[in-house]
Amino acid sequence: GNSVTQMEGPVTLSEEAFLTINCTYTATGYPSLFWYVQYPGEGLQLLLKATKADDKGSNKGFEATYRKETTSFHLEKGSVQVSDSAVYFCALILWGGSEKLVFGKGTKLTVNP
Amino acid sequence: DADVTQTPRNRITKTGKRIMLECSQTKGHDRMYWYRQDPGLGLQLIYYSFDVKDINKGEISDGYSVSRQAQAKFSLSLESAIPNQTALYFCATSPSGSTYNEQFFGPGTRLTVL
Repeated sequence: GNSVTQMEGPVTLSEEAFLTINCTYTATGYPSLFWYVQYPGEGLQLLLKATKADDKGSNKGFEATYRKETTSFHLEKGSVQVSDSAVYFCALILWGGSEKLVFGKGTKLTVNP
Repeated sequence: DADVTQTPRNRITKTGKRIMLECSQTKGHDRMYWYRQDPGLGLQLIYYSFDVKDINKGEISDGYSVSRQAQAKFSLSLESAIPNQTALYFCATSPSGSTYNEQFFGPGTRLTVL
């Protein structure tokens, strides 16, 4: 089946630290990959996306590269801010089938000043 | 105004009660979804609808039902609520025919079943 595995949290960093949140996937076909972010008290919103191998998604200083050979889509940011504190979800979707998002369990990030 | 709205935002109810959660969208999207979020479990799909006449079960539909009253409205019902349905519920929408099929989420409804 199709699944997404994220590193378990919570992750606690100091402001300006480097962030990596690991995400690997299993898929029966060729998925598109996403990172969603959930700020406290809010719904999820799309952070970035990639639709084919070697694509790099980027937004708000965050980046993730679609690595087909390692089935990974790790999220990185060079210098985190307090405002980045949130829960981050990796997700995939397979086209031509059910076309439903499959989410990882989420990783909670706390950034301290 | 928010594009995807959910009512109520918070609800406390008792075991055995019937509960309806409502979702409305002004984005003009055909596809709508209901998810449940539990701590440490991510989001699980309850039901989804690709158009007004198309309703499909998701991963965890038992104990839930839905109604797609119009393109803009998708309601989730718990016919007889039980405590393990205590969770955060999200509605989402997406356009059909989109390469990325990005989903847009509502703010969530926090449901507590006592």
